[in-house]
Amino acid sequence: EAGVAQSPRYKIIEKRQSVAFWCNPISGHATLYWYQQILGQGPKLLIQFQNNGVVDDSQLPKDRFSAERLKGVDSTLKIQPAKLEDSAVYLCASSSSSGRDNEQFFGPGTRLTVL
Amino acid sequence: DAKTTQPPSMDCAEGRAANLPCNHSTISGNEYVYWYRQIHSQGPQYIIHGLKNNETNEMASLIITEDRKSSTLILPHATLRDTAVYYCIVRVGIGYAGGTSYGKLTFGQGTILTVHP
Repeated sequence: EAGVAQSPRYKIIEKRQSVAFWCNPISGHATLYWYQQILGQGPKLLIQFQNNGVVDDSQLPKDRFSAERLKGVDSTLKIQPAKLEDSAVYLCASSSSSGRDNEQFFGPGTRLTVL
Repeated sequence: DAKTTQPPSMDCAEGRAANLPCNHSTISGNEYVYWYRQIHSQGPQYIIHGLKNNETNEMASLIITEDRKSSTLILPHATLRDTAVYYCIVRVGIGYAGGTSYGKLTFGQGTILTVHP
């Protein structure tokens, strides 16, 4: 079974630039999550999709971050414009509602550096 | 979700059992205890979860105290590849209310487990 795919693995941009991350979840998984992990901290949930609908974006900085999941499969997370404090690893995860009490499977993440 | 407390770091000799404690004194009756780990430069990986009974799988054992206020993750024979950050998380199952997923995982800072030769 293929895992959660993310790209790019690394990205370096300057502040005020825009950036987008892509995630392809495990086939058949209805729920998709984006997390932000700042160095030395645990991951923090940014947004959760159920199919193509948002069920939780309470911690998403909506003035600069946006995410979509068209057709309920792939997802993109965008930052526009980026700030220095956005430097972090962005993790995508997916889960099946029929899985082991909603076990989440994580991708390898995208490491973003904002200069 | 209930807050958890874990030691920031622990050491373990290769081949010995690693016992990682977690305090969750404010856990509610419908909240599960989950353990995930994160090996360097990888995404977190599910290990095990339980409600009130002890659980065992191919990776680890989970011991939950009778009052459910604390638990211990046991790696019976630690290897160098078990070096990672271990996260203890408590949450309800899955569900949504008022625009917030109350089944979401809320990660703390975890315990850095170092397994040495």
